[in-house]
Amino acid sequence: EVQLVESGGGLVQPEGSLRLSCAASGFTFTDHYMDWVRQAPGKGLEWVGRIRNKVSSYTTEYAAPVKGRFTISRDDSKNSVYMQMNSLKTEDTAVYYCAKVNMVTQDDYWGQGTLVIVSS
Amino acid sequence: DIQMTQSPSSLSASVGDRVTITCRASQGISNELAWFQQKPGKAPKALIFASSSLQSGVPSRFRGSGSGTDFTLTISSLQPDDFASYYCQQYNVYPVTFGQGTRLDIK
Repeated sequence: EVQLVESGGGLVQPEGSLRLSCAASGFTFTDHYMDWVRQAPGKGLEWVGRIRNKVSSYTTEYAAPVKGRFTISRDDSKNSVYMQMNSLKTEDTAVYYCAKVNMVTQDDYWGQGTLVIVSS
Repeated sequence: DIQMTQSPSSLSASVGDRVTITCRASQGISNELAWFQQKPGKAPKALIFASSSLQSGVPSRFRGSGSGTDFTLTISSLQPDDFASYYCQQYNVYPVTFGQGTRLDIK
């Protein structure tokens, strides 16, 4: 069974930093790209970024609002993906989901989400 | 970035109704569009990939169509479990972008 478990959310002050983690199990982690998607309270879904696999040189893509502030990384030895969030803004307040969405095999798996609140 | 515009933003319907949600891309995206369903407090779940390909296990009352810039999601006969929010997503180019969502409520 595929499982994605996020952790690391919490309350942080504006301009602060936070590191989210996502532990994966139930599939061959090294083969897959991994995404982060967020959802502000009462709002829609927003794609945040993606990290590719080793074959694709672990390259990353980001949405414009987070580019230069957020960094996605992964540790294949730990079956984990991370997102370092710096210079946080109040508008970054959201539930952050880790997801494996494969358009080729046409399947998707999501974590339960972790809440990040940016407030003074 | 490609803008995805969904309509309507909200919709009230009854069990057994046929409903259609549309999604328009600001530029052509071929058929690289997915539809997601999300229930309150839960993670999203993909229904359709490549505009019209139903994900395994998704009921056949869900149907997707379209190519280029205009896409539709049709639910042929609403069931109680279908009342949720629906999002389109383009994955033709980066950054990946979602539509603003359509909330489907019981009338």
